[in-house]
Amino acid sequence: KNEVEQSPQNLTAQEGEFITINCSYSVGISALHWLQQHPGGGIVSLFMLSSGKKKHGRLIATINIQEKHSSLHITASHPRDSAVYICAVSPMYSGGGADGLTFGKGTHLIIQP
Amino acid sequence: NAGVTQTPKFHILKTGQSMTLQCAQDMNHGYLSWYRQDPGMGLRRIHYSVAAGITDKGEVPDGYNVSRSNTEDFPLRLESAAPSQTSVYFCASCGRKWPEPMFFGPGTRLTVL
Repeated sequence: KNEVEQSPQNLTAQEGEFITINCSYSVGISALHWLQQHPGGGIVSLFMLSSGKKKHGRLIATINIQEKHSSLHITASHPRDSAVYICAVSPMYSGGGADGLTFGKGTHLIIQP
Repeated sequence: NAGVTQTPKFHILKTGQSMTLQCAQDMNHGYLSWYRQDPGMGLRRIHYSVAAGITDKGEVPDGYNVSRSNTEDFPLRLESAAPSQTSVYFCASCGRKWPEPMFFGPGTRLTVL
């Protein structure tokens, strides 16, 4: 069974700080997703990656396939970044399909002004 | 495009009552799934469908039924609600060429008394 572990579970930081959220998984994957969920809100896909690094605005996602590890970085953090960040992976054995998607429990991020 | 829509947004049921949560997507996505989100746990898949006429069980299917008569709609039926089904429910879709980003509906907050 694929396990997805995120760390930290909770993170409080000051506005402007550089934020790192980590995700580790236990089996080979075809894709990894980073999702964002604002309090009381829906879930939005931030990144989908299977190798290397992706950047969108102040957000950067990296993945190391050999180490089975991914990180989500937020530069120049802002209170509007406060949300739950969720890592999800699709194992290789599922054929890469969405039917095998496994989710981490999420990292609850609070950015204080 | 409306993306993925869900109705209702909130609902309160009494134990033993039945109801249907509605999910619809207008992106011609093949894959649709239902997840529940509970405090301290990652998203858990209830049922999913890879195409019209095809459905399958996810991780926590007991007490729920689904049907997929067309590409757009994927209703989730609770035949006899139990307090353990109090949760936030999300419908999600993605395209036919994996890997692709996941699109989530806004969620339905269901309370069973």
